[in-house]
Amino acid sequence: GAVVSQHPSWVICKSGTSVKIECRSLDFQATTMFWYRQFPKQSLMLMATSNEGSKATYEQGVEKDKFLINHASLTLSTLTVTSAHPEDSSFYICSARDLFGPVPSEKLFFGSGTQLSVL
Amino acid sequence: SQQGEEDPQALSIQEGENATMNCSYKTSINNLQWYRQNSGRGLVHLILIRSNEREKHSGRLRVTLDTSKKSSSLLITASRAADTASYFCATKNTGANSKLTFGKGITLSVRP
Repeated sequence: GAVVSQHPSWVICKSGTSVKIECRSLDFQATTMFWYRQFPKQSLMLMATSNEGSKATYEQGVEKDKFLINHASLTLSTLTVTSAHPEDSSFYICSARDLFGPVPSEKLFFGSGTQLSVL
Repeated sequence: SQQGEEDPQALSIQEGENATMNCSYKTSINNLQWYRQNSGRGLVHLILIRSNEREKHSGRLRVTLDTSKKSSSLLITASRAADTASYFCATKNTGANSKLTFGKGITLSVRP
């Protein structure tokens, strides 16, 4: 099946620094990727939809300037948490759909997630 | 806002027993999906059931959908310790470009 690779798996950073998280579709092209945030024992909160070659669509309440999304190619989307603060500490997960495979898929393929800890 | 709500929130069973998890939702859907998440990892798709389907099977998994009650159930038969994980239902509403909305999840513990 389709594979989504997310990197890094975990990152610890100082308050005020920026952190970049990468999400790659390894064996399929993804014109759209999704970024989620998850708190312990909670559901996934959709933060934004990343669109290849155009601007991301952010969910209500998500700061665009805080969470910068770039989707420069059909296989790579990045999420940059700018000027991170302790309240940004969370588990961030990306996902994508394989729309161009033998059978267009409605299911999502997820990366393994990134645990961000801001000190 | 969350569409699906699973119950129970947590379930603990003995290996070999069956596990039944339920999901209720509020609006009309195109399809409903179940995902599994191991601690600290991403989600893995388990099964998708469309609004015009009532039941689907995949290995030890059985999913039912009752659109009149706006509910779904996931049955895992002959559970194994390795089934220990969180399980989420996710609904895709009708309407163009609708997104997948996840429930809060059920924590399943299978005791060896």
